[in-house]
Amino acid sequence: DAGITQSPRHKVTETGTPVTLRCHQTENHRYMYWYRQDPGHGLRLIHYSYGVKDTDKGEVSDGYSVSRSKTEDFLLTLESATSSQTSVYFCAISEASSNTEAFFGQGTRLTVV
Amino acid sequence: AQSVTQPDIHITVSEGASLELRCNYSYGATPYLFWYVQSPGQGLQLLLKYFSGDTLVQGIKGFEAEFKRSQSSFNLRKPSVHWSDAAEYFCAVGVQGAQKLVFGQGTRLTINP
Repeated sequence: DAGITQSPRHKVTETGTPVTLRCHQTENHRYMYWYRQDPGHGLRLIHYSYGVKDTDKGEVSDGYSVSRSKTEDFLLTLESATSSQTSVYFCAISEASSNTEAFFGQGTRLTVV
Repeated sequence: AQSVTQPDIHITVSEGASLELRCNYSYGATPYLFWYVQSPGQGLQLLLKYFSGDTLVQGIKGFEAEFKRSQSSFNLRKPSVHWSDAAEYFCAVGVQGAQKLVFGQGTRLTINP
């Protein structure tokens, strides 16, 4: 299995609090992605990174920010969590962009109450 | 913008029966095409991919998919399903020059004994 670790795996937080999810890889892959998975929507891209300090928005980026200060770590921050951000969050990595396999982490289940 | 449609939200088949999961994409050029499988509580695993060449591609676990340019489709097939194939299946499109995958909504497969 690709070396991807997401932490925490489960989290319950209150509305209005900031939350940071971490994705750590040991594969030295250039690209890292954050997706959210919701019933009926499949996986939707939140943000992605194509190198250290190089990030860009996906289709559902509002309310989220990311940072990548090292190749191996990609952080997703919910600035002020809302109930609509209750979801399962997946990190993915790939060597190149659209034409290579993406490897996925196990996911983080976030509940905002 | 590119999009992926999986028309069937939920499919039920009997063990030993054949399976076909549909995927249609919208994109002007030939995309990179993927099928992923997600077992309950797990991340996504790549089943197979198509970039170019032979339009019938073989994947893991006995799955295959056929790219049909005229129909903008990339349907997943298996001649005889096993109970362990019960999972959610996602079709994804990678766009050349873009730096992301676009996922369909997913098809949940249930296997009757």
